[in-house]
Amino acid sequence: QVQLVQSGTEVKKPGASVKVSCKASGYTFTSYAFIWVRQAPGQGLEWMGWISTSNGNTNYAQNLQGRVTMTTDTSTSTAYMELRSLRSDDTAVYYCARVEDRIMAIDYWGQGTLVTVSS
Amino acid sequence: IQLTQSPSSLSASVGDRVTITCRASQGITTYLVWYQQKPGKAPKLLIYAASNLQSGVPSRFSGSGSGTDFTLTISSLQPEDFATYYCQQFNNYPITFGQGTRLEIK
Repeated sequence: QVQLVQSGTEVKKPGASVKVSCKASGYTFTSYAFIWVRQAPGQGLEWMGWISTSNGNTNYAQNLQGRVTMTTDTSTSTAYMELRSLRSDDTAVYYCARVEDRIMAIDYWGQGTLVTVSS
Repeated sequence: IQLTQSPSSLSASVGDRVTITCRASQGITTYLVWYQQKPGKAPKLLIYAASNLQSGVPSRFSGSGSGTDFTLTISSLQPEDFATYYCQQFNNYPITFGQGTRLEIK
């Protein structure tokens, strides 16, 4: 069965970086792209960006350009999202999610990783 | 592309018929998806391509619309349906979500 398992809770100071991992299993990793989505406490869903697992192409949200990098490691079927120069308003649950191109929708989500930014 | 959901919150009773609307700021053909999210959980796919029911989702959920106006309908609310619902457009980048509709028990 398809599973996306994310790394654990992180607590960071303002200005630091965080790298969240998302290990996929149960399907051919390079057949599906990934999207990263975040959700601040009590708020809605925010799209952060997209990465192709076949060629590494990316498309980032404009408000995160220059601070976010998405990568994949096909040898371990793992996707990564790194966010730099963290601010308090980056405190959120970060989700990785698999995109099913045939239906143009997210069909599987990771369990979420809470990142808290606090001095 | 901005997606505006209405209402932002809704109180309803078990057995009620409920409709949630999602309006896009420009046409997105049928590249519209609906998700359900419960507290502390990741969203769950309900409807894709505006009107297609995801496998395993109960048939009381349905979606309709094209262009700029879309609806999610729950024909007879069940206790497990009380959650927050989001629409999302996949027509072009940046991919965007509606602000969410919180469905509460009356």
